[in-house]
Amino acid sequence: DTGVSQDPRHKITKRGQNVTFRCDPISEHNRLYWYRQTLGQGPEFLTYFQNEAQLEKSRLLSDRFSAERPKGSFSTLEIQRTEQGDSAMYLCASSISGEQYFGPGTRLTVT
Amino acid sequence: GQNIDQPTEMTATEGAIVQINCTYQTSGFNGLFWYQQHAGEAPTFLSYNVLDGLEEKGRFSSFLSRSKGYSYLLLKELQMKDSASYLCAVRATGSYQLTFGKGTKLSVIP
Repeated sequence: DTGVSQDPRHKITKRGQNVTFRCDPISEHNRLYWYRQTLGQGPEFLTYFQNEAQLEKSRLLSDRFSAERPKGSFSTLEIQRTEQGDSAMYLCASSISGEQYFGPGTRLTVT
Repeated sequence: GQNIDQPTEMTATEGAIVQINCTYQTSGFNGLFWYQQHAGEAPTFLSYNVLDGLEEKGRFSSFLSRSKGYSYLLLKELQMKDSASYLCAVRATGSYQLTFGKGTKLSVIP
């Protein structure tokens, strides 16, 4: 068990470009979550998967954001037409019961 | 909706005890979590309360009162490495997402 991993760890992109992040959960965890965190704030929920099914999605989530978990293992989060306000740390977490275990995050900077 | 309040910053002395409070309002309660987050790192799980009372885990304890919408995290024998942000998070009934507070930045001084 190597924990939750995320790739890349850092991403700098220009406004208007698309970006995709990957998350590999802890192997036996069937639940996977995406959160976004900005400086001085707690993580903000984006979306949740149980196996390959996307069961919850934040109402605050723009249509530019989409997430997949095609085989119930790794997940991808794509942001289309990035904006400067998308700059944040994107955290992935996984769980099998109550507590969620977080990955190291992908720090996105939109210039 | 849910609302979570916790102090923004606290300072405590090495070796001392500190209590970080969290109050919450939620339409349906299904668990309260505490996480530790060092600057630039991901949150790490500390404790989980779903029933009233105190949960003890080494130097860390967490208390919950569902009727008061109140929890605290108690850190004993503070060490310099305990300097971090402490995040309170609530899970609502029928949901798996966590709603986090803004975190309490704890500074441990010699």
